[in-house]
Amino acid sequence: DAKTTQPNSMESNEEEPVHLPCNHSTISGTDYIHWYRQLPSQGPEYVIHGLTSNVNNRMASLAIAEDRKSSTLILHRATLRDAAVYYCILRDYTGTASKLTFGTGTRLQVTL
Amino acid sequence: NAGVMQNPRHLVRRRGQEARLRCSPMKGHSHVYWYRQLPEEGLKFMVYLQKENIIDESGMPKERFSAEFPKEGPSILRIQQVVRGDSAAYFCASSLRYEQYFGPGTRLTVT
Repeated sequence: DAKTTQPNSMESNEEEPVHLPCNHSTISGTDYIHWYRQLPSQGPEYVIHGLTSNVNNRMASLAIAEDRKSSTLILHRATLRDAAVYYCILRDYTGTASKLTFGTGTRLQVTL
Repeated sequence: NAGVMQNPRHLVRRRGQEARLRCSPMKGHSHVYWYRQLPEEGLKFMVYLQKENIIDESGMPKERFSAEFPKEGPSILRIQQVVRGDSAAYFCASSLRYEQYFGPGTRLTVT
């Protein structure tokens, strides 16, 4: 799996938007960009994924750069419940389902 | 629609005993993955199974660890002769194709 680079930690105030960056300069044409998060003492949770176009769902938005070498996960209004480690992961879509390779992720702190 | 179920949630074993961790995937999901998270470390892939088949076991330790996903029943991760270094959280995930849905994990403590 191609490598991703994320900041170790970020802070946000509650009710404000949060932009979590991810660099993946070696991404291949068949890699999807996936985001998962892990809340304290819980299993990881799927957030969103995309290939080329920006994506929105009820949890977040994913903005993908035109050259696909970077992406940004956007939480529109952070809450205390969004405090978690966020992982940006690349997965090849040409085969069948495959493993997730987790990096160190970004630890998001949300304060009042 | 129930999520991924794992049991037990907490398991304590003495060194040398066997640990059996169970995972029931979401209804209709035929892909099961096991991951391990050592204390203060990241999640590491262990094994990927489909019904009755091991697809990718590249992350499994060579000895003492085995996994199965029988035609009927849950997936089982088995650790024989546990050692203190096996103490970790073990997460199971299931999927249909792209997204993986994780269970709450089994926290294994070896004393």
